Amino acid sequence: QSALTQPPSASGSPGQSVTISCTGTSSDVGNYNYVSWYQQHPGKAPKLMIYEVTKRPSGVPDRFSGSKSGNTASLTVSGLQAEDEADYYCKSYARSNNFVFGTGTKVTVL
Amino acid sequence: EVQLVESGGGLVQPGGSLRLSCVASGFTFSSSWMHWVRQAPGKGLVWVSRIDGDGSPTIYADSVKGRFTISRDNAKNTLYLQMSFLRAEDTAVYYCARDYYAGLDIWGQGTMVTVSS
Repeated sequence: QSALTQPPSASGSPGQSVTISCTGTSSDVGNYNYVSWYQQHPGKAPKLMIYEVTKRPSGVPDRFSGSKSGNTASLTVSGLQAEDEADYYCKSYARSNNFVFGTGTKVTVL
Repeated sequence: EVQLVESGGGLVQPGGSLRLSCVASGFTFSSSWMHWVRQAPGKGLVWVSRIDGDGSPTIYADSVKGRFTISRDNAKNTLYLQMSFLRAEDTAVYYCARDYYAGLDIWGQGTMVTVSS
């Protein structure tokens, strides 16, 4: 199972929005609504930000939103704040009872 | 407090074995599906394995199938990962995590496994 494709980096100024893509195939992202997104600060465990494509766990700010079109899922962070600077990973359920993560995107707040 | 605490990592020679443990507290462990995820130094997250609440079924990434075994003891609120025939490429921080609608909502702090001679 190949990793989902994410851009290596993304950036924006405070208050701006940034969108991260996560491209898979019809065997994973395109066929299941089990896409989740994680934020990871250096040296820390990942944190769940979005599950089932669009849902936010309790405590996650509504500045974080998810969507999906075809084989590509996206995470949008609106109103960027300094603490949003981190690595972000998508994950999808895949055919044949597997899960696959994305390659990861480093978000920089300029 | 809801938490997961991993242990059991360390230095092991290629071909060797190691068993990781993950103790859960603050939630109903026995009804929770659980995962192992690993992250090699400076690299991205990689899904390893999942186990259902009652211990079956279990599923594995192709890269560890036949070498790693996930299991659990619900009486002890503990998840395990038995790793055998270890390779250098298995070197990573190993995290346990709770499944939440196919997302992972509770993570441990991770335990480092280094495979080297």
